[in-house]
Amino acid sequence: DQQVKQNSPSLSVQEGRISILNCDYTNSMFDYFLWYKKYPAEGPTFLISISSIKDKNEDGRFTVFLNKSAKHLSLHIVPSQPGDSAVYFCAASSISNFGNEKLTFGTGTRLTIIP
Amino acid sequence: EPEVTQTPSHQVTQMGQEVILRCVPISNHLYFYWYRQILGQKVEFLVSFYNNEISEKSEIFDDQFSVERPDGSNFTLKIRSTKLEDSAMYFCASSEGRGRVGTEAFFGQGTRLTVV
Repeated sequence: DQQVKQNSPSLSVQEGRISILNCDYTNSMFDYFLWYKKYPAEGPTFLISISSIKDKNEDGRFTVFLNKSAKHLSLHIVPSQPGDSAVYFCAASSISNFGNEKLTFGTGTRLTIIP
Repeated sequence: EPEVTQTPSHQVTQMGQEVILRCVPISNHLYFYWYRQILGQKVEFLVSFYNNEISEKSEIFDDQFSVERPDGSNFTLKIRSTKLEDSAMYFCASSEGRGRVGTEAFFGQGTRLTVV
């Protein structure tokens, strides 16, 4: 049951260039999409999110694009910095009748920024 | 900055024993969650908790598991009769909720459970 997929397990990008991380989903009922960043021995840290009714959200160096017809979202990081090296998880949120938001995660992409 | 804290950071237990993983969510948050990540696999939802009861659980969260909020601050995950395949990183998370879509969940640093 892979409702959220990240097909690239790893990505290497030169410092200063753009990093593009991709994510595909299959369930059109997701309400919200989020990106989390994870360092070793730490929990996932929220990075940026986008509502299913939007197609773009920008926050500083981070921009998330959503293409609902293709069921695809991407995270752009520009310019990439060495501190961006981490595992990035795409997650999709669905809200239950009780209001809690269950997150369905992708498998993650390990981003390495090369100085 | 408020954060979710989990204890212990690492727990080793013998197969068949019971373990309790502890979490202190962010104080004004209303929704609490447990997720786990088996080594090399994705982060998986286990259970969500709201208003002192389970609001949703996954098929992983069977009778072996239980959650509790024993006081106003702690949120615990109990795993009875642990099995080797319960070895994983367990993450606690909390979110503000209040019906707003997209309120992000804040995660703790995780407890690594090793069943031997």
